[in-house]
Amino acid sequence: DGGITQSPKYLFRKEGQNVTLSCEQNLNHDAMYWYRQDPGQGLRLIYYSQIVNDFQKGDIAEGYSVSREKKESFPLTVTSAQKNPTAFYLCASSKRSGPYNQPQHFGDGTRLSIL
Amino acid sequence: AQKVTQAQTEISVVEKEDVTLDCVYETRDTTYYLFWYKQPPSGELVFLIRRNSFDEQNEISGRYSWNFQKSTSSFNFTITASQVVDSAVYFCALSSNDYKLSFGAGTTVTVRA
Repeated sequence: DGGITQSPKYLFRKEGQNVTLSCEQNLNHDAMYWYRQDPGQGLRLIYYSQIVNDFQKGDIAEGYSVSREKKESFPLTVTSAQKNPTAFYLCASSKRSGPYNQPQHFGDGTRLSIL
Repeated sequence: AQKVTQAQTEISVVEKEDVTLDCVYETRDTTYYLFWYKQPPSGELVFLIRRNSFDEQNEISGRYSWNFQKSTSSFNFTITASQVVDSAVYFCALSSNDYKLSFGAGTTVTVRA
């Protein structure tokens, strides 16, 4: 079945540590996204990528980094510079937008907590 | 700047009641797209509907219906004869010809048996 796989489901970070969240899709989508969700809030865009080897900052990119070396993969690294990383992280993908914005398809999410 | 407001934080109903979720948006663009997503307890967001700014026709899909009114910048969502499986967080979102989705804060719907 086509879909988006995020791993791990739960992740714990120690102070000063970088951690990487995995996101893989087999939907043949060009665009991929990372969102952060905090309790009682909507999703906020961290980074997005429209095509391989290219990505742009979203609204809250500070303390995060990404890479897009393959079409199927868009890993997110939460660096030690992100002082409040505890949140639910969602990865999404979509067909490339043209005149019509395509709906985004989401993974099951990774819940990150500080030890 | 784009903004989506979902004023209702939580709604609790008894099974078979109807429930309407409000969504009000702000944008300066004349071409834009509105979406509704459902987030069940498992966490993933499920796409429900997309509507573009030039199509104000209301839509019905099974027990779901949507009322889009540009005059009031609203895109409301109604669940008819609610069921326990409808319990979830529902998000309204807005996009204007780019890749960014602006989400509302979400409305938690609890349907009691």
